Amino acid sequence: DAGVIQSPRHEVTEMGQEVTLRCKPISGHDYLFWYRQTMMRGLELLIYFNNNVPIDDSGMPEDRFSAKMPNASFSTLKIQPSEPRDSAVYFCASSLYLQGIHTGELFFGEGSRLTVL
Amino acid sequence: SQQGEEDPQALSIQEGENATMNCSYKTSINNLQWYRQNSGRGLVHLILIRSNEREKHSGRLRVTLDTSKKSSSLLITASRAADTASYFCATGGNAGGTSYGKLTFGQGTILTVHP
Repeated sequence: DAGVIQSPRHEVTEMGQEVTLRCKPISGHDYLFWYRQTMMRGLELLIYFNNNVPIDDSGMPEDRFSAKMPNASFSTLKIQPSEPRDSAVYFCASSLYLQGIHTGELFFGEGSRLTVL
Repeated sequence: SQQGEEDPQALSIQEGENATMNCSYKTSINNLQWYRQNSGRGLVHLILIRSNEREKHSGRLRVTLDTSKKSSSLLITASRAADTASYFCATGGNAGGTSYGKLTFGQGTILTVHP
């Protein structure tokens, strides 16, 4: 398996522009997570999905952020309009829940490093 | 918050030495996990210890869990330069709760192993 695939790996944009980050989870996994990592705040959970349905978006910082999962193999995180304080590394992770024997282990992608000028 | 806090924030050792990192958390847990992150890369799962376990081994890794003290430790024995990375503990879900997979990560320990 190719693992969790994220794109782009690096994105540099100007304040006010729309940014779309993409994620392909591991095939068969039923949970997908979006995390943000910064030096100041560490790793923060933004939103997670189960079977393509958003379960908890309480970590989404504000309305400028939105996430979708139109099918089991694709998710997007969109920031519109972007601001310099959105600069961070955004990680997508997926996992599989097996009834009664779940491990809770997350498989992370390599991240998308976003710089907003 | 169930956020774990790692201690120390940074650790520098020589190859062959053991490295011990500690993690404290605030509320009851179902399990505690440790992850490694190499510079510029994603996190990689190392080991999971359940709340009813006290110690677990995986290769050169040894994890302990003390639920009465709400703390865990990760020991890497006979360290190698390739072990240089950041190490994070993560907790998720309340005991018997339904927030499966919703992990909260600590700030991490930066481990540097000198050849």
